[in-house]
Amino acid sequence: QAGLTQPPSVSKDLRQTATLTCTGNSNNVGNRGAAWLQQHQGHPPKLLCYRNNNRPSGISERFSASRSGNTASLTITGLQPEDEADYYCSAWDSSLSAWVFGGGTKLTVL
Amino acid sequence: EVQLVESGGVLVQPGGSLRLSCAASGFTFSTYWMSWVRQAPGKGLEWVANIKQDGSEKCYVDSVKGRFTISRDNAKNSLYLQMNSLRAEDTAVYYCARDVFDSWGQGTLVTVSS
Repeated sequence: QAGLTQPPSVSKDLRQTATLTCTGNSNNVGNRGAAWLQQHQGHPPKLLCYRNNNRPSGISERFSASRSGNTASLTITGLQPEDEADYYCSAWDSSLSAWVFGGGTKLTVL
Repeated sequence: EVQLVESGGVLVQPGGSLRLSCAASGFTFSTYWMSWVRQAPGKGLEWVANIKQDGSEKCYVDSVKGRFTISRDNAKNSLYLQMNSLRAEDTAVYYCARDVFDSWGQGTLVTVSS
């Protein structure tokens, strides 16, 4: 099953802004938007945003999501050392009747 | 506090079977869709299957269709994954996750090897 496309890696300086992208199609990202998850090494993923820009309680406002057509974006402002992690997008694909994930983006905070 | 605790992961030979369990607490289990998601060593996340609140709808990734079965027991607040005809490529940490992945367990490792 086709997945979503994410850049493998992004590097940004401390306190700068990073924007991660996730490209799908009209059956998944373009339909209901994407969820974004953060995963630190050795830990389970944590949901940051779902259905574009709904944040679960306890998630910092530094994380925000948006969508333009079939591409979803996660913006992280004021980068902190603890933001260094793998970031995954996911979306329900209505034609596959399946959740699809992106391959993940490794964010490095310099 | 929402808690999901997976169990059942072991070393199993190719062609073997295994049943994973996920014990849920801290929320009304019967009102949520639930999923299994796996992560092969050093790789990304892969959704495996999900199940509707009452168990009436189930969906699977193509690679496990006909081999894996997801089920739930709302009276026991538990989610299950029956895995048959296991292959080396099924080796992964298996997580249970709630709804739109808003809560995750710590995962259980399944290793398929001779």
